[in-house]
Amino acid sequence: EVQLVESGGGLVQPGGSLRLSCVASGFIFSNYWMHWVRQGPGKGLVWVSRIHSDGGSSTSYADSVKDRFTISRQNAKNTLFLQMNSLRAEDTGVYYCARAADGYNYFDYWGQGILVTVSS
Amino acid sequence: DIVMTQTPLSLSVTPGQPASISCKSSQSLLHSDGTTSLYWYLQKPGQSPQLLIYDVSTRFSGVPDRFSGSGSGTDFTLKISRVEAEDVGVYHCMQGIQLPRTFGQGTNLEIK
Repeated sequence: EVQLVESGGGLVQPGGSLRLSCVASGFIFSNYWMHWVRQGPGKGLVWVSRIHSDGGSSTSYADSVKDRFTISRQNAKNTLFLQMNSLRAEDTGVYYCARAADGYNYFDYWGQGILVTVSS
Repeated sequence: DIVMTQTPLSLSVTPGQPASISCKSSQSLLHSDGTTSLYWYLQKPGQSPQLLIYDVSTRFSGVPDRFSGSGSGTDFTLKISRVEAEDVGVYHCMQGIQLPRTFGQGTNLEIK
C-alpha cells in the first residue's frame, strides 16, 4: 500500500524557517518524481515545487516560493523534504506531498497533509 | 500561468440525481503526442485530495463508473451519473501540460 506521511509543521513567526518531511512507503521511492502542494485556509490547491526521481537533476518552484523554499530528497531513506525560509503569513496552510504517476504528470497519491502556521 | 476556471463553485444535489462540473483552461491542454493533461480530484471533508480521472476521461483505479470525464482542448466536464452521499466534498480540476501546475478554484458538492 502506497503511503506518504508528512511531518515537521507547526507555528512559526514571520521570517522564520521550517523543514517539512514526507516519508514514503509501499513503492520504490527513487523511481518517482515528487511534488509539494499547499492549501491555504478555506482556499484552493496551489502547486509549490517538484523534484526529479534522482534528486539532483531537476527541481522547479512556484514563483511565490522561489529563492525561499528548497525541495530535496534522500532516496536511501525514502524521504522528501521542503526547507522553508523567510516564511510569510501567506505561506500559512496545509502542505501535502504528492507522488507523480510514473510517466505521467498527475498526482496519483497524496499524503494526509501537515499544517504550517506563520503568525506572530 | 494557465488559469483553470471551474463552474459552478457550489452544487447541491439530491441523491440519485446527476451532477456536472465544468472546467475551462486558458490554454489548450493538448500535448503533441495526442494526450490531454486534464485531471480531476475529489477532496472529501477533512481529507487530502484523491485522484478520480486522468487524461480527461480515464478513471483511476477503484473509482466508480458513475464518474465520467469528457472534453478537449480547453473545455472539460466531470459528470456524476447518480450522486451518492459519499460523493460530498470539493472537486478540483488540474492541468499537467506545463509548470506551474495549476488548479481550478474547486467546486463544493453537497447533498440536499
